[in-house]
Amino acid sequence: DTAVSQTPKYLVTQMGNDKSIKCEQNLGHDTMYWYKQDSKKFLKIMFSYNNKELIINETVPNRFSPKSPDKAHLNLHINSLELGDSAVYFCASTPLGVKNTEAFFGQGTRLTVV
Amino acid sequence: AQSVTQPDIHITVSEGASLELRCNYSYGATPYLFWYVQSPGQGLQLLLKYFSGDTLVQGIKGFEAEFKRSQSSFNLRKPSVHWSDAAEYFCAVGARSGNTPLVFGKGTRLSVIA
Repeated sequence: DTAVSQTPKYLVTQMGNDKSIKCEQNLGHDTMYWYKQDSKKFLKIMFSYNNKELIINETVPNRFSPKSPDKAHLNLHINSLELGDSAVYFCASTPLGVKNTEAFFGQGTRLTVV
Repeated sequence: AQSVTQPDIHITVSEGASLELRCNYSYGATPYLFWYVQSPGQGLQLLLKYFSGDTLVQGIKGFEAEFKRSQSSFNLRKPSVHWSDAAEYFCAVGARSGNTPLVFGKGTRLSVIA
């Protein structure tokens, strides 16, 4: 059983297109995140949701819109894709109010914009 | 603001040699500390974590790390490196309060030579 799963694993698309990446966790966690890993491998937080509510939005362009239909899902929709959006996007989750626990990461989605 | 510094971008060691990857953090209180490993084309796997207590923590794959508050460091060590350890290693810091996202260092790429 995969704890945090993302689809698709690979996504190649043309500039200007709109695409979505899906994330689901079966851990019963309340908090979910999207991280972006750039070409230099740097991981940076994009968004954080607690129980479907947006908590953190780290100066991400408006073209990126996260959507959380329920606390087990956090999808990332990207409009008007640009070359600079090419990266690996990681979804993660943590339980709310639980001490001494780590974040659980999905396997990542490698987005290539051509 | 929290920050993590991994001073070594790339390290090459011989198989069977010992390894130490450096990590320094900046945080206003006692943080949660983590080491993750990312093999080529793969997701993030947790190697070990420090929350409290014994400052020497053991992880998977024979890795250990030592929390040194006076030096704001959490260096990762392994006594004998295997070729399969070649990967990207990330140190991360998390807050003890609430579900705040992890802050990652820029990673250290480990190469292992015969």
